[in-house]
Amino acid sequence: DAGITQSPRYKITETGRQVTLMCHQTWSHSYMFWYRQDLGHGLRLIYYSAAADITDKGEVPDGYVVSRSKTENFPLTLESATRSQTSVYFCASRAGNVDSPLHFGNGTRLTVT
Amino acid sequence: GENVEQHPSTLSVQEGDSAVIKCTYSDSASNYFPWYKQELGKRPQLIIDIRSNVGEKKDQRIAVTLNKTAKHFSLHITETQPEDSAVYFCAVRGGGKLIFGQGTELSVKP
Repeated sequence: DAGITQSPRYKITETGRQVTLMCHQTWSHSYMFWYRQDLGHGLRLIYYSAAADITDKGEVPDGYVVSRSKTENFPLTLESATRSQTSVYFCASRAGNVDSPLHFGNGTRLTVT
Repeated sequence: GENVEQHPSTLSVQEGDSAVIKCTYSDSASNYFPWYKQELGKRPQLIIDIRSNVGEKKDQRIAVTLNKTAKHFSLHITETQPEDSAVYFCAVRGGGKLIFGQGTELSVKP
């Protein structure tokens, strides 16, 4: 959906470097999420946010930091990248209703060398 | 926390046959169960969902059934077509977050 965009689409970085993945949505959705996708593990939740200035850990939060100062943005930072963080990262958002669907961005393919 | 198990991990069927994918979950408070389809190199997209107060839902060739007592739900695809080939994910929502199963790679052979 054009309403949620991730940048960059591809990123190569070195072990130990800090890298930030960006996510922006134009729907004013209250909820935003970060997932990582690895072969054999499906989609694993890293962090999520129910509203601006509210964030919660997901299944695999270690090594990641998030912030949500504005409703439309939800950046994900790897403070000191490791090879195990090589993955495809998907940002997603949804409205506040219990059965509102999750809308995914196009993903960021991150390689840590 | 919530634990979602999805089976099988791979499924190969002949065109026209039916396909069934099953998921089990652990948290009895979970109340929303969507299924997503992901084609190669693309993002996951919602194909069907069901709420906890409904036992079955159909949309053309796809259907989802939910057994809350047993804490499992299933995706049924009838009259499969080659374009159904993709990875399918079940998911469970309890509270604000959505937890996904490990995925099923469905291959439909013409």
